[in-house]
Amino acid sequence: EVQLLESGGGLVQPGGSLRLSCAASGFTFSNSAINWVRQAPGKGLEWVSGTSGSGASTNYADSVKGRFTISRDNSKNTLYLQMNSLRAEDTAVYYCAKEGTLLWFGNCDSWGQGTLVTVSS
Amino acid sequence: QSALTQPASVSGSPGQSITISCTGTSSDIGGYKYVSWYQQHPGKAPKLMIYEVSNRPSGVSNRFSGSKSGNTASLTISGLQAEDESDYYCSAYTSDSTVVFGGGTKLTVL
Repeated sequence: EVQLLESGGGLVQPGGSLRLSCAASGFTFSNSAINWVRQAPGKGLEWVSGTSGSGASTNYADSVKGRFTISRDNSKNTLYLQMNSLRAEDTAVYYCAKEGTLLWFGNCDSWGQGTLVTVSS
Repeated sequence: QSALTQPASVSGSPGQSITISCTGTSSDIGGYKYVSWYQQHPGKAPKLMIYEVSNRPSGVSNRFSGSKSGNTASLTISGLQAEDESDYYCSAYTSDSTVVFGGGTKLTVL
């Protein structure tokens, strides 16, 4: 059974940093691109970032480019999202979501339960 | 990276069919086969219902179908059931190698 378990969310002040983790099991981690998708309270889904199966290719939404960094450790079956210079508008539930391909296309067949990030003073 | 356009809400009676549209551009929906649809119940993670325009993942009811014409994709749910009441989101791959979501559509089963 595929499982994705996010952690690392919490309350952080504007301008602060946070690192999210997503521990994966039940599939061959290095064969799957993985995305971070967020959802602000009461709002819709927003794609944040994607990484290829090897981790060699990554991309970001304009709203987070230059502030967030996605990475993965295939030896630990874990995905990360380093978030710097956080803003109030980054407040959201952050989901990791896997694809069935080496590159990301938005076909997310499994999702974690999400971790809440709150940016507030 | 503008969001795809979906109607805010649709409704239908049990047994009826409804269609949710999702409009983008030639740089996303119109340019690739990578259009997906997700169902999200309150407080839950999204669930993939349709991928690559019209393919259903294993376990998804065949009452759900997808299509695309030009820059607009559509999700059709036939034989509406009470359990279909949910939020639905479309997504598409873009020419910038990013993914864009629609704003979401709330489906009410009357």
